[in-house]
Amino acid sequence: AQSVTQPDIHITVSEGASLELRCNYSYGATPYLFWYVQSPGQGLQLLLKYFSGDTLVQGIKGFEAEFKRSQSSFNLRKPSVHWSDAAEYFCAVGRDGGYQKVTFGTGTKLQVIP
Amino acid sequence: NAGVTQTPKFQVLKTGQSMTLQCAQDMNHNSMYWYRQDPGMGLRLIYYSASEGTTDKGEVPNGYNVSRLNKREFSLRLESAAPSQTSVYFCASSTNRGTDTQYFGPGTRLTVL
Repeated sequence: AQSVTQPDIHITVSEGASLELRCNYSYGATPYLFWYVQSPGQGLQLLLKYFSGDTLVQGIKGFEAEFKRSQSSFNLRKPSVHWSDAAEYFCAVGRDGGYQKVTFGTGTKLQVIP
Repeated sequence: NAGVTQTPKFQVLKTGQSMTLQCAQDMNHNSMYWYRQDPGMGLRLIYYSASEGTTDKGEVPNGYNVSRLNKREFSLRLESAAPSQTSVYFCASSTNRGTDTQYFGPGTRLTVL
């Protein structure tokens, strides 16, 4: 069975500081990995995804993530956080199977202080 | 192009009442999903539909039923609401490929008293 762990429930960073959100996954084969963002009162929106090729993937809003197979990790990073980045971030692992079976992590809530 | 739409946005029910949450997508996606989101638990899959005419149980199906009315529409029904079903409900759609993006609706915030 596939699973995702986001060890940080809540993170606070200062505006302009760098950010790293952690994600560890468990899956037997090569995983499909996603980061979604949820702004308050909204649905989820895809930030970026990885399924093959270059292990460093670029996403929208200046985010990037690195797939490390040896560590079963897919951490999300941003060099300089903006106040508008305050949101909840979900890591997810997916696979084929007749439909798109996706398992979401429990989320990390990001607070940005001026 | 509206993407995924959900109605209603908010709903308050009394225990034992029934209701149907509506979802529609205009992206010609085969697969549609219903999730519930509870604090500290992420998103959990209630039911999914891999194609028109098929539906299957997800992780937490008890107390819910679904109907895939056509390729565009996928409804979620609570026959006899319970306080444990107080949650935010999201509908999503995608192609059937594991690598593809899921597109989410804005959610329905349901409170059962």
